[in-house]
Amino acid sequence: EPEVTQTPSHQVTQMGQEVILRCVPISNHLYFYWYRQILGQKVEFLVSFYNNEISEKSEIFDDQFSVERPDGSNFTLKIRSTKLEDSAMYFCASSFAGPPQPQHFGDGTRLSIL
Amino acid sequence: GQQLNQSPQSMFIQEGEDVSMNCTSSSIFNTWLWYKQDPGEGPVLLIALYKAGELTSNGRLTAQFGITRKDSFLNISASIPSDVGIYFCAGQGNTGNQFYFGTGTSLTVIP
Repeated sequence: EPEVTQTPSHQVTQMGQEVILRCVPISNHLYFYWYRQILGQKVEFLVSFYNNEISEKSEIFDDQFSVERPDGSNFTLKIRSTKLEDSAMYFCASSFAGPPQPQHFGDGTRLSIL
Repeated sequence: GQQLNQSPQSMFIQEGEDVSMNCTSSSIFNTWLWYKQDPGEGPVLLIALYKAGELTSNGRLTAQFGITRKDSFLNISASIPSDVGIYFCAGQGNTGNQFYFGTGTSLTVIP
């Protein structure tokens, strides 16, 4: 069964450094998402992306965050200047159509900010 | 953002028992999803519900879209050890297209 893949599985970064998290969505999917899950808490929506532009974003997704689809297969999340509170699991998801179509999640990248 | 409360927060049950959990919201939702998350992995979709009153099964799992559209229920029959994990509901309503996730129910099955 096709799946969403994310790399790296664990990223350790010094506070203030830039970090890029990478995702390869399911190949025929058109909608892409990033979510965050702080340890022990619920999954929180960050941003949705369709047709090469952001379609919706949450208040968490401030100017430090950006997303890009640099080619036909990758979808990236960049955090420009990381803070301690950015430490979390970051999940990429994709769907063939927009909501209410269910989203399929990758296994996440654990981001640890030191 | 929207608040979805799940109960119970955690459950410890014997293998073979049935499980019930629910998810409630103060707002009306148009779609409810149920996901299971194993440690160190991403959420995996279990069931999707699109209509008030809808009852949908996936093997031993059954979920219902509450008729008030403010709640949803997930039942697991005859639990087995691999049912262990955290179960999240997610709802999508009239305020934007994003899905809001619940607080999760942690299930432990004792063999």
